[in-house]
Amino acid sequence: GDSVTQMEGPVTLSEEAFLTINCTYTATGYPSLFWYVQYPGEGLQLLLKATKADDKGSNKGFEATYRKETTSFHLEKGSVQVSDSAVYFCALSEGSGNTPLVFGKGTRLSVIA
Amino acid sequence: NAGVTQTPKFQVLKTGQSMTLQCAQDMNHEYMSWYRQDPGMGLRLIHYSVGAGITDQGEVPNGYNVSRSTTEDFPLRLLSAAPSQTSVYFCASSRTSGRAREQFFGPGTRLTVL
Repeated sequence: GDSVTQMEGPVTLSEEAFLTINCTYTATGYPSLFWYVQYPGEGLQLLLKATKADDKGSNKGFEATYRKETTSFHLEKGSVQVSDSAVYFCALSEGSGNTPLVFGKGTRLSVIA
Repeated sequence: NAGVTQTPKFQVLKTGQSMTLQCAQDMNHEYMSWYRQDPGMGLRLIHYSVGAGITDQGEVPNGYNVSRSTTEDFPLRLLSAAPSQTSVYFCASSRTSGRAREQFFGPGTRLTVL
């Protein structure tokens, strides 16, 4: 079945450091890819998405490019802030709207001043 | 527009007790789902529904029941609570059309079973 693998955390960075969180996927078809973010004490919210190969999703300074050849969707940000401290989930969706999202296990990011 | 709401926010149960976690959405979404979140396990799908009267099991359905009598509501029932059900529970909803449909999550219910 479909699956998503993302790098283990926690990740601790200093403010203004460069962030990469790796995400690779296995899918039988041609999925859409997502990054969700969970701030402390809250539910998940969509950060960015991409629906086809070479698409770049971006939001709040975060970017991720859909790489079909490497089955990857790595999350990057050039300069992290303390407010970016959260848990980040990579996810995929395949097929029709009746198909549940498949999530990775999440990566906790802590940014220190 | 309240989005996805969940009640209660916190709950403590004793082993063997039953309870219902409530979930409602006001976005007219066909798809609704329940997840549990445990440390190191990410999100695991319990049950989901693609419309009123239609439900299906996810990855970890044992010990939980659901029903979908209306588009808006999707309650999760614990029939006989066990300590292994201590977790944070999230409800989510989305439309069913389109490949890149966004899931909207509720704020979660933190459940402790003693």
